[in-house]
Amino acid sequence: DQQVKQNSPSLSVQEGRISILNCDYTNSMFDYFLWYKKYPAEGPTFLISISSIKDKNEDGRFTVFLNKSAKHLSLHIVPSQPGDSAVYFCAVSSANDYKLSFGAGTTVTVRA
Amino acid sequence: DTAVSQTPKYLVTQMGNDKSIKCEQNLGHDTMYWYKQDSKKFLKIMFSYNNKELIINETVPNRFSPKSPDKAHLNLHINSLELGDSAVYFCASSQQGGYGYTFGSGTRLTVV
Repeated sequence: DQQVKQNSPSLSVQEGRISILNCDYTNSMFDYFLWYKKYPAEGPTFLISISSIKDKNEDGRFTVFLNKSAKHLSLHIVPSQPGDSAVYFCAVSSANDYKLSFGAGTTVTVRA
Repeated sequence: DTAVSQTPKYLVTQMGNDKSIKCEQNLGHDTMYWYKQDSKKFLKIMFSYNNKELIINETVPNRFSPKSPDKAHLNLHINSLELGDSAVYFCASSQQGGYGYTFGSGTRLTVV
């Protein structure tokens, strides 16, 4: 029973353009929403997060948007760079909960 | 100096064997985790320890037994290995529950 869904397994984008990654979740009780980035043969690394009291958080080229009514969040990367080619995982958590629940990931390929 | 280190990185073993994976973190975090990434790329939590106390034990066969000798170490022992145990196992730690995980680089287990 997947609580977090990333329906696009892959995304190909040209260098300099915008990458938009989407994530849907099922439980309106989640409080924290995170994006992790993973390179091959490495562990996931934290990228950006947002709490349920906000609808947007920006960090340099990365912006996360949260739509609580739709139970949807998205990650925008502008402009996309070759080093952004990786697998991106959406993750969710509740306050006082020790676990993160992850989506299946979206593989982003940035073309030169 | 690696924050969360796992050993070994690769492990190939025969069905029926018993094996262990070790994890150590030097971040001073209170909580450690084991996640399994299966062939479909989902990252699923298996166990979590907080200050050496087991706090999460998902539906995992009892052939899997975690052990935390202190809060900086969390080992995973697997008895009677089966083909379906082949996966990448990630160790992680956090200070604030399900927020701000730091992952190890993973252990790729192949059962033949």
